[in-house]
Formats: sequence, C-alpha cells, structure tokens
Amino acid sequence: AQSVTQPDIHITVSEGASLELRCNYSYGATPYLFWYVQSPGQGLQLLLKYFSGDTLVQGIKGFEAEFKRSQSSFNLRKPSVHWSDAAEYFCAVATGGTGGGNKLTFGTGTQLKVEL
Amino acid sequence: EPEVTQTPSHQVTQMGQEVILRCVPISNHLYFYWYRQILGQKVEFLVSFYNNEISEKSEIFDDQFSVERPDGSNFTLKIRSTKLEDSAMYFCASHMDKAKNIQYFGAGTRLSVL
Repeated sequence: AQSVTQPDIHITVSEGASLELRCNYSYGATPYLFWYVQSPGQGLQLLLKYFSGDTLVQGIKGFEAEFKRSQSSFNLRKPSVHWSDAAEYFCAVATGGTGGGNKLTFGTGTQLKVEL
Repeated sequence: EPEVTQTPSHQVTQMGQEVILRCVPISNHLYFYWYRQILGQKVEFLVSFYNNEISEKSEIFDDQFSVERPDGSNFTLKIRSTKLEDSAMYFCASHMDKAKNIQYFGAGTRLSVL
C-alpha cells in the first residue's frame, strides 16, 4: 500500500535561513507528488506538484522540490525562509482508485516554526 | 480565482445526532473528495465521488457516512449518528482532470461532537 513519511515532526529555523523538509514515499508506480501548506485554522493550499519530466519543480512562495526516484524522496526546499512561512507542511502522493479520481495519501506533516 | 467553499465553518452537535456538511466544489470540476483531520493527526481520505457515484472509500467511511451531490453545485457529507470520535476537521476537495489530479481544498468544517 502507498505511504508517505515525513520524518521531522517539528522544525525550527531562523528567518533568512534555508529550509529543507523531508518526504519519502512508497508507491509501486510512478507517483504524482504534492506539497501542501496549512496555516492555523486554514485549509490546505497547494505549494507545488510533480507529475513527470524535470525532477526539480518550482512552486509558489519561492518553494521548490526535487524528485529523486532512487531515494523515493520529494524534499521541499526554500533558500531563505520568511516569518510568514511558519505553518504545517504536508507531503502527499496521489494513488489511482479503481474508478474515477485519485485519492491523496498524506504524510503526518512537519510543523515549521520561524524564529525572528 | 475559483475556490472550494465549505459550510458551516464550525458545527457543534450532540452525540447520536445527524449532521450534514456542505461543500460547493469549483464549478467545472468532475471529481470530488472528502478528507478528515483529527486534531494533531494527518489528513485522511474518506471518499471519492465521480459521475454521481462513489468511486472509492476508506475503512473510516462506514455505514454511518454517506455522500450526495443533490444538484449541480453542492456536494454533501452526512453522518447519520455522530460519535465522539467523529470530532475532526472535514475537508472537501475537487479537481477537473483525472490525469493531473490537482486537488483544490476548501477551508474545512470543524465538527465538534459533545
């Protein structure tokens, strides 16, 4: 069965520092991979996605992620973190259902705290 | 930018009562989902819906749950007899293209069962 692992539950970085959030997935076929961000009391906002092609994908708010098939990873990065980036970040993999639609399987999330 | 809207934002109910959570997906989307997130835990898939029928459901989605698309715009999740453990944030999501599966999420309904 498909699964997503985010090994870091909490991460604290200083504003202006670089950031890398780790994500590993387990899925038999070529995955569709996503990063979502959730601010307190808010819904899930899509940061970026990987379907195929270039393994380095760019997203909103200056985020990028790199797909590494050999490591089953899809780590999220940002060169310089802003205080407004403090939120919870979820990695997800889309898995095909037997009928229409593809459900998302989420990791447990990484809570990012930014120190000023 | 079009968005998925969910109502109410917070629902408080007594154990054993029926609740209906409402969602208006993005208008040209064809695939609809419900997910839930128990406080402090990860987001979990409940059910997917396409072409007026359930296409997949999780173990969580038992006989107490049902979904409906009663008209061309609304997508509802009904819980027939709520339990304490149903307390969670419920998210609706939709997307248009099965191949790309870019799911857009609503802001969620927080369900509190007392």
